[in-house]
Amino acid sequence: QKEVEQDPGPLSVPEGAIVSLNCTYSNSAFQYFMWYRQYSRKGPELLMYTYSSGNKEDGRFTAQVDKSSKYISLFIRDSQPSDSATYLCALVKGAGGTSYGKLTFGQGTILTVHP
Amino acid sequence: SAVISQKPSRDICQRGTSLTIQCQVDSQVTMMFWYRQQPGQSLTLIATANQGSEATYESGFVIDKFPISRPNLTFSTLTVSNMSPEDSSIYLCSVGGNTEAFFGQGTRLTVV
Repeated sequence: QKEVEQDPGPLSVPEGAIVSLNCTYSNSAFQYFMWYRQYSRKGPELLMYTYSSGNKEDGRFTAQVDKSSKYISLFIRDSQPSDSATYLCALVKGAGGTSYGKLTFGQGTILTVHP
Repeated sequence: SAVISQKPSRDICQRGTSLTIQCQVDSQVTMMFWYRQQPGQSLTLIATANQGSEATYESGFVIDKFPISRPNLTFSTLTVSNMSPEDSSIYLCSVGGNTEAFFGQGTRLTVV
């Protein structure tokens, strides 16, 4: 079983919709949570990071973490065609040592926002 | 944030040969990371490159296949050795810590 599970989609929504992207994880050692956006033939681009349970908002994006359920989400409000990309969750274990900076990625969700 | 440049951006190589990928960062960093993204898959960490010491490899990856150099705090190379078609992937270098990690644009490798 993979440590991080993410529904690969694909997910297709109309412009203006609210998008919900989700990951679950099995290891409580994960303490840091990031969301990346990856356009075709590009490297991943960091959207948001968080390290505590609850919500963190940045513009149209909200990252949500529930450590008790080992569940993280990214919400995109008022989705735009330019949001069409692959979205990846990435998790990091612990606060240092041999885990420092090592990301464990979900499989990625392919999102298409159509006009 | 950090600006990361990778070379080459893509290459087509014959099986049995080796390819060295370069990664240049615009600031000094202690740790650099190399990831692989196989077709249709997510990113998997290959190894961590520290300046002044040998790279540390993740399970399933070995130094003979993926030798890494880290000559200074802004540069690293990853070599894919004795390539087979199964090595066809995107290889990415990354820098950062527990809350932020930044990636290069990747090297798209096709082995024929």
